[in-house]
Amino acid sequence: DAKTTQPPSMDCAEGRAANLPCNHSTISGNEYVYWYRQIHSQGPQYIIHGLKNNETNEMASLIITEDRKSSTLILPHATLRDTAVYYCIVSFDYKLSFGAGTTVTVRA
Amino acid sequence: KAGVTQTPRYLIKTRGQQVTLSCSPISGHRSVSWYQQTPGQGLQFLFEYFSETQRNKGNFPGRFSGRQFSNSRSEMNVSTLELGDSALYLCASSVGGQDLDSPLHFGNGTRLTVT
Repeated sequence: DAKTTQPPSMDCAEGRAANLPCNHSTISGNEYVYWYRQIHSQGPQYIIHGLKNNETNEMASLIITEDRKSSTLILPHATLRDTAVYYCIVSFDYKLSFGAGTTVTVRA
Repeated sequence: KAGVTQTPRYLIKTRGQQVTLSCSPISGHRSVSWYQQTPGQGLQFLFEYFSETQRNKGNFPGRFSGRQFSNSRSEMNVSTLELGDSALYLCASSVGGQDLDSPLHFGNGTRLTVT
């Protein structure tokens, strides 16, 4: 069973920041927070991950609360190509458990 | 660097047959995982191999098996196919450290249709 809770869907305006929340209140101390996205008919694409600290890469930023019970993925300037299903996963090993994710629709 | 390569991209089989799917990981990656994706069940973990040994296994029947070769390439086999095995089968590779501090990179999958 997935150990995260995400809103089923959200809309975002092109060019604006998209903030995707994820609740993982039962996270263990050695579990990482991972974000992936999937565009129809393709495999999931890795976005970013973190353990305790906030992280940033060329795609996104990951903000993890101090108690690690929730996190937010930030897409700084959403484009139409960011329309996808976004998955938040917590895991300490390679047995990832995917939930239903958040369907993000970026509108022009 | 080339990504994870899965072959074939599409496959149509008949009930009762068996099928073998292939996965070539990213160069240097020693861990290979397999996932099944269906509209009803979502993405489900099948198994993970590291250095030719199965390190993790999901809750699938014994008809689903896999192996990994010394060059880290992996195959998964499904015997006695059932209609419910129709799915997108995804392979993912990772450097394969002890913990999950290196991301999994997925291929685009093999779409299996059982008729």
